[in-house]
Amino acid sequence: AQSVTQLGSHVSVSEGALVLLRCNYSSSVPPYLFWYVQYPNQGLQLLLKYTSAATLVKGINGFEAEFKKSETSFHLTKPSAHMSDAAEYFCAVSLGGGGSEKLVFGKGTKLTVNP
Amino acid sequence: GAVVSQHPSWVICKSGTSVKIECRSLDFQATTMFWYRQFPKQSLMLMATSNEGSKATYEQGVEKDKFLINHASLTLSTLTVTSAHPEDSSFYICSAPDLGSTDTQYFGPGTRLTVL
Repeated sequence: AQSVTQLGSHVSVSEGALVLLRCNYSSSVPPYLFWYVQYPNQGLQLLLKYTSAATLVKGINGFEAEFKKSETSFHLTKPSAHMSDAAEYFCAVSLGGGGSEKLVFGKGTKLTVNP
Repeated sequence: GAVVSQHPSWVICKSGTSVKIECRSLDFQATTMFWYRQFPKQSLMLMATSNEGSKATYEQGVEKDKFLINHASLTLSTLTVTSAHPEDSSFYICSAPDLGSTDTQYFGPGTRLTVL
């Protein structure tokens, strides 16, 4: 079975500071990994996905994530936080990288950006 | 990107009544749609996979007779919560994969259900 653990349900950073959201996964087969963002009362928007190509994945809004097999991690980073980045972030894993694959989500990390 | 809509965005109903939630893919066709449930401050849990022209596939522990799913067309799936109870109050989110272009799941904005 696949699972995702997001360390830290809440992360608070200052505007302009580095954003680091942690995600560790468990999978019996090579995983496909995703990061989604959810703004209040909205659905999820895909930030980026890892599908076994480059281990460093660049996404939208300046976010990127690095797949580290040895650490079973897929942490999300952004060099400089913006107020608009405040949202809930979810890491997810699936057996396949295609859109029709079932996703297993972590519990989410709420990011707060302080002025 | 592709757009998925849900209707209604929120609904309040009395215990024992049924509520229907619609999920539409607006600019692409979706033979498969997913229904998730999200409890406050928790993650999304997959409830079922909706398949156009065939029966839905439910995840373990989800009552198929309580959560009726109908994938009526290539752009519409509905979730009906039958005989709703307060414990069914939750945020319900659907998603649909756009296999034609981006091969990515797109999520609807969600429906907030409150059962009194």
